[in-house]
Amino acid sequence: ELKVEQNPLFLSMQEGKNYTIYCNYSTTSDRLYWYRQDPGKSLESLFVLLSNGAVKQEGRLMASLDTKARLSTLHITAAVHDLSATYFCAVDDASKLTFGTGTRLQVTL
Amino acid sequence: DSGVTQTPKHLITATGQRVTLRCSPRSGDLSVYWYQQSLDQGLQFLIQYYNGEERAKGNILERFSAQQFPDLHSELNLSSLELGDSALYFCASSVGLVSNNEQFFGPGTRLTVL
Repeated sequence: ELKVEQNPLFLSMQEGKNYTIYCNYSTTSDRLYWYRQDPGKSLESLFVLLSNGAVKQEGRLMASLDTKARLSTLHITAAVHDLSATYFCAVDDASKLTFGTGTRLQVTL
Repeated sequence: DSGVTQTPKHLITATGQRVTLRCSPRSGDLSVYWYQQSLDQGLQFLIQYYNGEERAKGNILERFSAQQFPDLHSELNLSSLELGDSALYFCASSVGLVSNNEQFFGPGTRLTVL
């Protein structure tokens, strides 16, 4: 059974600083997705990573995938308050998604 | 707005009752997925339909069932409801079954069982 672990579970960030969220998964997959969820809202797609070494960037967020290490990272550069939300990684397992536990980010001044 | 619609937004019901959640996928998407999000279990895959056929099952209880209709909308039926069924239920859709099968999520239905 595929297991997906994220850490940390909670991240209190200072504005302007850099942080990284880690997503480890237990079986081979070369398709990984990052989603953002605001409280009580739906999941917003951030990144689609489809191959080993894939790197995608959007604004202050950058995601990468290492399929050999079964690891994806979401790097936050110069955090701003707007980034406060919960972030999920999800691994594609025969077209269904197995989600990590989520990382709740809180950006403080 | 992902293009996936779900109704109703909120549902409050009593234990033992039965409810139906409805989902309309994005135009052109043939696959529909149902997920449950609860504090206890996190985000869990329930079931997938592709062009009217069931394709994959996850941690879906026997009290729950789903179907996809010829117009591609889907319904998730929850029966003999228990307090623990209270959760946010998401529907997602994608083009098909191939790689790069990005799923787009609807706004969700919040179910409260009292």
